[in-house]
Amino acid sequence: EVQLQESGPGLVKPSQSLSLTCSVTGYSITSSYRWNWIRKFPGNKLEWMGYINSAGSTNYNPSLKSRISITRDTSKNQFFLQVNSVTTEDTATYYCARSGSPRAFDYWGQGVMVTVSS
Amino acid sequence: DVQMTQSPSYLAASPGESVFISCKASKSISNYLAWYQQKPGEANKLLIYSGSTLQSGTPSRFSGSGSGTDFTLTIRNLEPEDFAVYYCQQYYEKHMYTFGAGTKLELK
Repeated sequence: EVQLQESGPGLVKPSQSLSLTCSVTGYSITSSYRWNWIRKFPGNKLEWMGYINSAGSTNYNPSLKSRISITRDTSKNQFFLQVNSVTTEDTATYYCARSGSPRAFDYWGQGVMVTVSS
Repeated sequence: DVQMTQSPSYLAASPGESVFISCKASKSISNYLAWYQQKPGEANKLLIYSGSTLQSGTPSRFSGSGSGTDFTLTIRNLEPEDFAVYYCQQYYEKHMYTFGAGTKLELK
């Protein structure tokens, strides 16, 4: 069974960078599909942030494009999210998820809560 | 970007009842719409894609309808495990996905 698990620090200071890891088991991230990051803000709004596909190409939400980067380590079957210059508005629960064809998100991690605060 | 307007934001119902959740797109998205269920402590679950196709494992009491700009998630004969938050999501735009604001379904 495909499983995704997010990990990373729960607290980040303003102006610093936020770095999260998504560990995937049960499927190779180089085989197929897109591997996404999505966040849920307090108040429940969901925002798609971007993806890295099986070939290693990336695509980002234009509203975040200047601040985020998604990379991967194929040897560990992991992909990563980095968000630069964070503010309190980046406080959210961050999810990794798989999407394919159709481009719905068929597997999700349980999410990791990140608070941006000094 | 395609904006998704979901309603109601809150819904109270009892087991055995039927509920309807609406999702409206700011422009036509054909049938490129998915519905998700979110419960605390659990991974989000894809229920329906392509507007009306049940994901494997989704109980038949869930159904989706609509195309273009107007979509509906129907849950018939509510079970206790159905009380959760539900989201719609469009994937019409090739590289940009947007979600509705969510509907919290609570026990009356």
